[in-house]
Amino acid sequence: AAGVIQSPRHLIKEKRETATLKCYPIPRHDTVYWYQQGPGQDPQFLISFYEKMQSDKGSIPDRFSAQQFSDYHSELNMSSLELGDSALYFCASSRGTSGRAGETQYFGPGTRLLVL
Amino acid sequence: DAKTTQPTSMDCAEGRAANLPCNHSTISGNEYVYWYRQIHSQGPQYIIHGLKNNETNEMASLIITEDRKSSTLILPHATLRDTAVYYCIVRVAGYDGGATNKLIFGTGTLLAVQP
Repeated sequence: AAGVIQSPRHLIKEKRETATLKCYPIPRHDTVYWYQQGPGQDPQFLISFYEKMQSDKGSIPDRFSAQQFSDYHSELNMSSLELGDSALYFCASSRGTSGRAGETQYFGPGTRLLVL
Repeated sequence: DAKTTQPTSMDCAEGRAANLPCNHSTISGNEYVYWYRQIHSQGPQYIIHGLKNNETNEMASLIITEDRKSSTLILPHATLRDTAVYYCIVRVAGYDGGATNKLIFGTGTLLAVQP
């Protein structure tokens, strides 16, 4: 079965640079979630989109922005990168219509960002 | 904040059943119990979820107490590849545009399957 695709898988940037992470949800999934996992930490919710509109927001820095496009893929834009932004960034997708048990989120393999 | 508490770590012998407990004493009537696992730096993998009835799939079984205040994830025959951090998460059922569908991860249980 098709899974969530994230690109790139690895990214190395310098401080103050910008980075763009991409997420391609499972086909027919219209909701995308972004999570950040710092070294030795648990995943933390950043932001989510449903039908191209922002649906929820977590602890996402103002330097970060995200959007969902008409084909439902999403991009997380990160500017003025700091050393503390080094982390794994996961994207998850789900279907927006309510099923038997709500909408299970399925995660991608993640993008490992290293800021030097 | 996470609404669940889990033991920090557990060991299990390969081939034996692994029983991972989770306490969610403040769970609401419209909240599901979800289980995910994360194998070293990979994306969290969905395992199973339930509302009030016990559930079973090809990966595991989920036993929810009658009062819904706790649950147990059972891996019937643990293998070395089951070594991972297991997260128990409660989440509102249904859909309201995604606003309450975010997953709040706690610290999880590190399950170490021993040969």
